[in-house]
Amino acid sequence: NAGVMQNPRHLVRRRGQEARLRCSPMKGHSHVYWYRQLPEEGLKFMVYLQKENIIDESGMPKERFSAEFPKEGPSILRIQQVVRGDSAAYFCASSPYVETSGNTIYFGEGSWLTVV
Amino acid sequence: QKEVEQNSGPLSVPEGAIASLNCTYSDRGSQSFFWYRQYSGKSPELIMFIYSNGDKEDGRFTAQLNKASQYVSLLIRDSQPSDSATYLCASDYGGSQGNLIFGKGTKLSVKP
Repeated sequence: NAGVMQNPRHLVRRRGQEARLRCSPMKGHSHVYWYRQLPEEGLKFMVYLQKENIIDESGMPKERFSAEFPKEGPSILRIQQVVRGDSAAYFCASSPYVETSGNTIYFGEGSWLTVV
Repeated sequence: QKEVEQNSGPLSVPEGAIASLNCTYSDRGSQSFFWYRQYSGKSPELIMFIYSNGDKEDGRFTAQLNKASQYVSLLIRDSQPSDSATYLCASDYGGSQGNLIFGKGTKLSVKP
């Protein structure tokens, strides 16, 4: 998973605040994915992005969550008005062009969000 | 409901033994299967993937896929204490690129 950079690694927010998590994909990778891992739960897919495009957001909660991957800069997962249930590890993953990689994705170190 | 099921464990094996981790999946449309290792508080690390029936070997690791029975397994030969981690099984299911369904993982403990 070397190369997928996430920050911050740990983030503490009070209920109602906003959380912004950033992800820079591995060099040469053009596809970014966000996953969430709740305590004692499996990894759950949230969203798949390419530059300036959301390809699949079927796993995103309907409210308060949004993601972007601008032409320049990292991908950002934004959580507005956080609640305690948002406390989780958020992992970003990336992959190269699909025809060469199939579905193999590589995870970053994760961002641990704690809502107090 | 597309699911990947794993025994949560813990699975305990002595050092040097073979650890066998199993996984079943519900969707026959799944094509590729992945094994990730996750140490506590760390990110998932890809061990290997398999998409053809049969065995695939990589060092001490062997993945086995049986599509007729819808199960995947991971064998770890000569288990080491450093192999102690949670092992996650994942499958695609014909969805979008990178949209994988993960099991909850099996915790493996290798005793010295």
